[in-house]
Amino acid sequence: GAGVSQSPRYKVAKRGQDVALRCDPISGHVSLFWYQQALGQGPEFLTYFQNEAQLDKSGLPSDRFFAERPEGSVSTLKIQRTQQEDSAVYLCASSELAGRGETQYFGPGTRLLVL
Amino acid sequence: KNEVEQSPQNLTAQEGEFITINCSYSVGISALHWLQQHPGGGIVSLFMLSSGKKKHGRLIATINIQEKHSSLHITASHPRDSAVYICAVAVYGGSQGNLIFGKGTKLSVKP
Repeated sequence: GAGVSQSPRYKVAKRGQDVALRCDPISGHVSLFWYQQALGQGPEFLTYFQNEAQLDKSGLPSDRFFAERPEGSVSTLKIQRTQQEDSAVYLCASSELAGRGETQYFGPGTRLLVL
Repeated sequence: KNEVEQSPQNLTAQEGEFITINCSYSVGISALHWLQQHPGGGIVSLFMLSSGKKKHGRLIATINIQEKHSSLHITASHPRDSAVYICAVAVYGGSQGNLIFGKGTKLSVKP
C-alpha cells in the first residue's frame, strides 16, 4: 500500500513569504508527527496529532508555525513570514495506533529553502 | 549534553567489514528506534526495540536498558548500506510517542 507522502518535495520561499506543507499519512493511521531536520542534524519534534486533536505542539519554534489535521487524515504545516532559519527538511511520520513505542513511518520530507 | 548520543559520527568501511554503531541515551525510554536515512531525506525504520536483540537480514540491533545503550551491527557490509543511521528514543512518560533523535552516523562503505 501507499506510504506517507509529502508535498511539495522542494520549496524555495522568499523571506517573509508564507508556506504550507502537506502530509498524507498512511490511511487509517491515528498518530501523525511533524519533525524539523536542519542540515547535518537529527530531526527534532515539532508537533503531534492523535486523529484531529493536536495533543502536543511544544516543539513548534514560534507562533509563526501552525499545524492542523482537521479531518484526522491529511495534515498541513504552515509557516508564516518565513525566516532564513526556517530552512530545513520538514518530515512527517504516522503510526497506526496512539501511544509510545509504535513504529513510525516517515514521509520523504519537504526541503524548504528560505532566501 | 544531548539526550541521545551516537558514535561514531562518521564511519568509512570496506565492503565485507563488520560494522558497529553505538547509541547512548540519558532518559528513561519506552522504546528505541534505529532508522536509516538515504541522501534525499527518506527515512526508513529498521528496528524498534525495548529489550534484548532483534535481527533482520544482515542487521542486528541490541539494547541494554540498565546501561542505557544500544548498538546497531551490520554484517558483511555492502556499498548499498551507505546511509545515515539514526538512533531515536521514545521517552517514557513523555509526550505520546514523539521521538528524540541522535545526530546520526554517516556510514560510507567502499567497494
